Amino acid sequence: EDQVTQSPEALRLQEGESSSLNCSYTVSGLRGLFWYRQDPGKGPEFLFTLYSAGEEKEKERLKATLTKKESFLHITAPKPEDSATYLCAVHSGGYQKVTFGIGTKLQVIP
Amino acid sequence: DAGVTQSPTHLIKTRGQHVTLRCSPISGHKSVSWYQQVLGQGPQFIFQYYEKEERGRGNFPDRFSARQFPNYSSELNVNALLLGDSALYLCASSLVPGTGHEKLFFGSGTQLSVL
Repeated sequence: EDQVTQSPEALRLQEGESSSLNCSYTVSGLRGLFWYRQDPGKGPEFLFTLYSAGEEKEKERLKATLTKKESFLHITAPKPEDSATYLCAVHSGGYQKVTFGIGTKLQVIP
Repeated sequence: DAGVTQSPTHLIKTRGQHVTLRCSPISGHKSVSWYQQVLGQGPQFIFQYYEKEERGRGNFPDRFSARQFPNYSSELNVNALLLGDSALYLCASSLVPGTGHEKLFFGSGTQLSVL
C-alpha cells in the first residue's frame, strides 16, 4: 500500500526565513508526485508534478525537488500570504488513486 | 472558465440519514474523483469515475456509492450516516486519468456534519 509521510506537521516561520518541507514516500511504481496548497475551507490547489528522481520545478518562492524516496518543498523568503497547508501526494495506480500525506501547516509571521 | 463546482457547500444531517453530494467538473474534463478529508488529515480517495464507469474505489464501506452522468457530472451518496462520516468531501476533475501526468482540479468541497 502506498504511504506518504510529511514533516513537520506544523511550521512557523518569520517573514523572509527560508525553510524546507519534507515528503517521504513508499510506492510500488511512482507515476507522479504532486504538491498541493490548501487554504482553510478550500480544496487543494495544484502546485507541481514531479516524475523522476533529480527533477526540480520552481514557482515564485517555491521549489520542489524529488529523489527516489522523498521530495522537498523549499520556500525561499516566505511572505504571510504563503501561509497554508502544503500537501504531498503520490500516484502509482493504473487509475487515478492519489494518496495524500497529512500535510504541513505553514504559518508565516510578518 | 468555471472551475469544479460542488453543492451544497455545507450540510447537517443526523445519524442514520442518507446524503447526496453533487459535483460538476471543469468543462471538457471526463474524469471525476471523490475524496474525504477529515479535519487535520489529508484527503483520502473514495472513488474515481471516467466516462461514466467506476475506475477505482478506495477503502470505504458499501454505504458509499457514486455515479457519473452523461454530462460528466457526478453524485456521491452515503447511506446510514455515522458520526465518523463528518468531513469535508472533495470532488476533483481531470482530463484523462491513469497516466500519472494529469493534475487534479479540486472543488471547494461539501462540509458534512453528522449529529
